[in-house]
Amino acid sequence: GNSVTQMEGPVTLSEEAFLTINCTYTATGYPSLFWYVQYPGEGLQLLLKATKADDKGSNKGFEATYRKETTSFHLEKGSVQVSDSAVYFCALLSYGNNRLAFGKGNQVVVIP
Amino acid sequence: EAGVTQSPTHLIKTRGQQATLRCSPISGHTSVYWYQQALGLGLQFLLWYDEGEERNRGNFPPRFSGRQFPNYSSELNVNALELEDSALYLCATVAPQEFQYFGPGTRLLVL
Repeated sequence: GNSVTQMEGPVTLSEEAFLTINCTYTATGYPSLFWYVQYPGEGLQLLLKATKADDKGSNKGFEATYRKETTSFHLEKGSVQVSDSAVYFCALLSYGNNRLAFGKGNQVVVIP
Repeated sequence: EAGVTQSPTHLIKTRGQQATLRCSPISGHTSVYWYQQALGLGLQFLLWYDEGEERNRGNFPPRFSGRQFPNYSSELNVNALELEDSALYLCATVAPQEFQYFGPGTRLLVL
C-alpha cells in the first residue's frame, strides 16, 4: 500500500539556520506529493505540492523536489524564522483511492 | 472566499455517548474527507464522501459513520465513544481536479 516516512523526532534550530526535513514514500503508480503545515491550535495548511517527477514545489521560501529515483520529497528552507515553528507533514495522493497518506509529522521549533 | 469550516471547535463527551461533528465545504467543493489525528498515531484517513455517497473508508470500526448532504456539507458520527477516540478530527474538501483544503478541526475529548 501507499505510505510516507518522515525522519523521527522534533527538529530544533536557531533562527536563520538551514532546515531539511526528509520524506520518502512508497506508492504504486505516480502519486502527487505534498507538504502540509500545522501551526499550533490550527488545522492543516497546504504548503507546497508537486504532481510529477522532477517537479519542484515552492512557497514561503520552502522548497521540495519530487525525486522518483529515490522516492523522496525532502523539504528545505534556507533561513528559518521563529514564525516557521510548526508541525510539518509530508503526504501523498494516489489517484484511484483518492485518500491522502501522511507521514507522522515533524515538530519544528525555531529559537530566536 | 470562506474556507472549510467545522463545528464545534471543541467537544467533550463521556464513554458510551455519541458525538456528531460537522463540516461545511468551500463553495464548489463536492468531496469531503474526514481524518483523525490522535496523539501518537498521526493522521489517519477515516471516510470519503462524494456527491452524497460514501466512496471509501479507512480502517475504522462501523461505529464511525457519516453522511453528506445535498449542499455537500457533511456530518461525522461516532457512536459508543471510547477513550481512545479522543483526537482532533479534520475535514478536508476538494473541488474536481484540485487538492484537499483542510478545516481547523474539532477537538473531541472523551472522559
